[in-house]
Amino acid sequence: EAGVAQSPRYKIIEKRQSVAFWCNPISGHATLYWYQQILGQGPKLLIQFQNNGVVDDSQLPKDRFSAERLKGVDSTLKIQPAKLEDSAVYLCASHPDLNTEAFFGQGTRLTVV
Amino acid sequence: AQSVTQLDSHVSVSEGTPVLLRCNYSSSYSPSLFWYVQHPNKGLQLLLKYTSAATLVKGINGFEAEFKKSETSFHLTKPSAHMSDAAEYFCVVSDRTGANNLFFGTGTRLTVIP
Repeated sequence: EAGVAQSPRYKIIEKRQSVAFWCNPISGHATLYWYQQILGQGPKLLIQFQNNGVVDDSQLPKDRFSAERLKGVDSTLKIQPAKLEDSAVYLCASHPDLNTEAFFGQGTRLTVV
Repeated sequence: AQSVTQLDSHVSVSEGTPVLLRCNYSSSYSPSLFWYVQHPNKGLQLLLKYTSAATLVKGINGFEAEFKKSETSFHLTKPSAHMSDAAEYFCVVSDRTGANNLFFGTGTRLTVIP
């Protein structure tokens, strides 16, 4: 079974630029998460999708972050414009239903300079 | 609301000695609990999970954890540490009747001394 795929693995941008991350969850997994993990901290939920609908985006800084999951499969997370404090690893995870564990991708390490 | 407190940010043990990583949780609902491990530059890997079956849960690589509802704890243990256990460990809580969000603790960095 293929895992959660994320790209790119690394990205370096200047502040005020925009950036997009892509996630392909495990086939058949209805729930998809985006997490932000700042160095030395635990992952923090940004947004949760159930199929193509948003379940929870209360922690998403909507003035600069946006995410979509068209057709309930792949998802993209965008930051525009980026700030220095957005430097972090962005993790995508998926799971098929309740009572199961989430499967995480390798993450995208973003550095904003 | 759900939350997780990992009581130690850093734990250091000698190789071959027991490991104890402590986790307390708070949940408004009947929780699912997980331990994930993160090796440097690697993705998060599930060690074990509790989802209301047996309270003593066995995971991979010799780790186990016991769910204690009265103490709201889910501590991770291993009888004998190995050098390859050195990593960051995250305790995670999820409510099974709500939105099923995963809430992570701040992590415990385990160092194993040869």
